[in-house]
Amino acid sequence: EDQVTQSPEALRLQEGESSSLNCSYTVSGLRGLFWYRQDPGKGPEFLFTLYSAGEEKEKERLKATLTKKESFLHITAPKPEDSATYLCAVLGGGSNYKLTFGKGTLLTVNP
Amino acid sequence: DTAVSQTPKYLVTQMGNDKSIKCEQNLGHDTMYWYKQDSKKFLKIMFSYNNKELIINETVPNRFSPKSPDKAHLNLHINSLELGDSAVYFCASSQTVAGNTIYFGEGSWLTVV
Repeated sequence: EDQVTQSPEALRLQEGESSSLNCSYTVSGLRGLFWYRQDPGKGPEFLFTLYSAGEEKEKERLKATLTKKESFLHITAPKPEDSATYLCAVLGGGSNYKLTFGKGTLLTVNP
Repeated sequence: DTAVSQTPKYLVTQMGNDKSIKCEQNLGHDTMYWYKQDSKKFLKIMFSYNNKELIINETVPNRFSPKSPDKAHLNLHINSLELGDSAVYFCASSQTVAGNTIYFGEGSWLTVV
């Protein structure tokens, strides 16, 4: 069964203090790795999809990278509005096309 | 325009009642889903439908019955509600089943008292 582990569970940063969130996964035949952002009281908002090791995607202060075992979400010079829960999910190669989520990392950026 | 919309957003009901949550997507996607997010914020798939056909049923009690009248709608009906059903239920959709990005609705907060 596909598994996703995110670390740390919670991360508190000062504004401008860069850091990385980790997503480790085990999956049989990766079809895609997804990063989402979830604000309190809202649904997950899509950020990135990565399909193969070595791939990188960027959006504003966020950059996602992928290896064969893990993905990192790098946050450069974060701002308070980047505070949210960041969710990682994998779509495995099984026939049921099931997206498996990690438990998320709660990021708090203090001004 | 809201891409994936679900109603109601909040629902408080007594144990034993039957309730429904409705979902509609205007993205022209073929595949729709119901996910459950529990108190620990863990998001787990319950069902998925592709062109009105059930393709994933993830060990969910048969008190939960999804219905897809057309590929733009996927409703969730819950019979005999229990305290443990309290959670946030998210509807979602994707272009197809195979590795496409899944877009989520805003969630329906169900509280069973």
